[in-house]
Amino acid sequence: KQEVTQIPAALSVPEGENLVLNCSFTDSAIYNLQWFRQDPGKGLTSLLLIQSSQREQTSGRLNASLDKSSGRSTLYIAASQPGDSATYLCAVSSTDKLIFGTGTRLQVFP
Amino acid sequence: DTEVTQTPKHLVMGMTNKKSLKCEQHMGHRAMYWYKQKAKKPPELMFVYSYEKLSINESVPSRFSPECPNSSLLNLHLHALQPEDSALYLCASSQVGTGRDNGYTFGSGTRLTVV
Repeated sequence: KQEVTQIPAALSVPEGENLVLNCSFTDSAIYNLQWFRQDPGKGLTSLLLIQSSQREQTSGRLNASLDKSSGRSTLYIAASQPGDSATYLCAVSSTDKLIFGTGTRLQVFP
Repeated sequence: DTEVTQTPKHLVMGMTNKKSLKCEQHMGHRAMYWYKQKAKKPPELMFVYSYEKLSINESVPSRFSPECPNSSLLNLHLHALQPEDSALYLCASSQVGTGRDNGYTFGSGTRLTVV
């Protein structure tokens, strides 16, 4: 059974810092890995999608890497801003299911 | 149109009521999903529809009844719910059941409160 874990569970940093969020999964037989952002009480916004054959994807200040063989992904946020405060979820796609990680709650203070 | 639209955004219902949640997408996706999310927890899969057929039911109680009238619409019918069913209900879609090509797109959710 696929299990997805995210570290740290919570993070509070001053703005301007570069951040690394970690995601690990137990079964490397995945199609892709997706990072989402969720604001309190809201839906999920897709940030980055990495196919299983890819190593990384970039969008603006965000960079996500994937090491499928070791079951790990990292989300790098450069020059963090208060508007980045949210919960970040990684999710892996295998068979017909999208399995979510436990999430990282990020707070960036001015 | 790259959105998944969910209605209503908020719903309060009594334990004897019958209500429905609605989800709509016009991206030509052929797989649609219902997820349930409790506070401070990740979303949990409830149902998967692939090509308008129910392909996965994650042992969800029968008081939740999904329906896929066509490839663009997904409903979740609710009946005799319990207070512990209060949660954020998320709908998602993908091109195919594995989300292999372009991943998954989520709606903004319905906040359900059972009183």
